[in-house]
Amino acid sequence: KQEVTQIPAALSVPEGENLVLNCSFTDSAIYNLQWFRQDPGKGLTSLLLIQSSQREQTSGRLNASLDKSSGRSTLYIAASQPGDSATYLCAVFPFYNTDKLIFGTGTRLQVFP
Amino acid sequence: DTAVSQTPKYLVTQMGNDKSIKCEQNLGHDTMYWYKQDSKKFLKIMFSYNNKELIINETVPNRFSPKSPDKAHLNLHINSLELGDSAVYFCASSLSRNQPQHFGDGTRLSIL
Repeated sequence: KQEVTQIPAALSVPEGENLVLNCSFTDSAIYNLQWFRQDPGKGLTSLLLIQSSQREQTSGRLNASLDKSSGRSTLYIAASQPGDSATYLCAVFPFYNTDKLIFGTGTRLQVFP
Repeated sequence: DTAVSQTPKYLVTQMGNDKSIKCEQNLGHDTMYWYKQDSKKFLKIMFSYNNKELIINETVPNRFSPKSPDKAHLNLHINSLELGDSAVYFCASSLSRNQPQHFGDGTRLSIL
């Protein structure tokens, strides 16, 4: 059974810092992995999607890497800003059920000025 | 232009009542989903429809019944509401199965 966990659960940093958010999954047989952002009272916004054959994806100040063999993904946020404050979720589509997106526990990020 | 819209945004009701949440997407997607986010913010799939056909039905009490009248709509009806049903319910859609999912803003259901 696929389980997805994220460390740390919460993070508070000053503006300008480079950040690394971690996601680990127990079964390396995944179809793809997605990183989402959730703002308070809002739905999820897809940030990056990495296919199982890819090693990383980049969008602006965000870079997500995938190491399938070790069951890990990291989301790197460069030069953090207060507007980056949100909860970040990773989710995987497992190969055994490619219809079912399994979410991690989330990392609540606060960037203060 | 809201891509995935859910109504209502807030729903406060008493135990034992029956309620419905509506979801509509204007993205032309084939696949739609319902998720439940509990008080610990853990998000879990409940149902998924592809081209109006049910493809995922997780271990959800049969008090919950999804209905997809067409590809653009997926409604969720809940009978005999219980305290444990209090949560935020999210609707999502994707172009097809395994594709990036787009989420609505959620419906916060509170049972008194």
